[in-house]
Amino acid sequence: DAKTTQPTSMDCAEGRAANLPCNHSTISGNEYVYWYRQIHSQGPQYIIHGLKNNETNEMASLIITEDRKSSTLILPHATLRDTAVYYCIVLGGWNSGGSNYKLTFGKGTLLTVNP
Amino acid sequence: EAQVTQNPRYLITVTGKKLTVTCSQNMNHEYMSWYRQDPGLGLRQIYYSMNVEVTDKGDVPEGYKVSRKEKRNFPLILESPSPNQTSLYFCASSLSASNQPQHFGDGTRLSIL
Repeated sequence: DAKTTQPTSMDCAEGRAANLPCNHSTISGNEYVYWYRQIHSQGPQYIIHGLKNNETNEMASLIITEDRKSSTLILPHATLRDTAVYYCIVLGGWNSGGSNYKLTFGKGTLLTVNP
Repeated sequence: EAQVTQNPRYLITVTGKKLTVTCSQNMNHEYMSWYRQDPGLGLRQIYYSMNVEVTDKGDVPEGYKVSRKEKRNFPLILESPSPNQTSLYFCASSLSASNQPQHFGDGTRLSIL
């Protein structure tokens, strides 16, 4: 699986959009970009994932560059409850012959939403 | 409500005393997995299961056992716990092992004295 690079920490004002970048320059054609977050010691929470098109759900938007080497997770109106560590993960989309589907979390970005 | 349930949430025990951490999901998911999370080491996979009666080792399986007799349950067994198994444990499940988000339980914090 491709390696990802994220900033160690970011701050955001409550009510403003939080834009979290991720570099994945070695991503291959069938690999998806996933975002999870973890609020202190709670179970990781799935946010969104995409292959090449931009995606939006009730939690966030995912913008993937045309060359797929980077992406941005956007929380449109950050709240205090969005303070968490955000993980960008690149994962193969297809399970072939029983291969594992494990998640490998790096250090992620600590997003702090300030009042 | 769709969820992954782990029990217990917290446990303090002693070296060598067998314990089981249960994991149950109500989403009819095929894939289930156990992870441990330690400071500075991130999330590491212990065991996973592609479906009923199909389990395999992850990255750090030593000292652990699992079973998958039913689709919904995936217990983690520590036959003879040791202090280096003190950790935060997460169970996760997904519809399949292919491009499906994994849903995590709330975690089990184990302390082995």
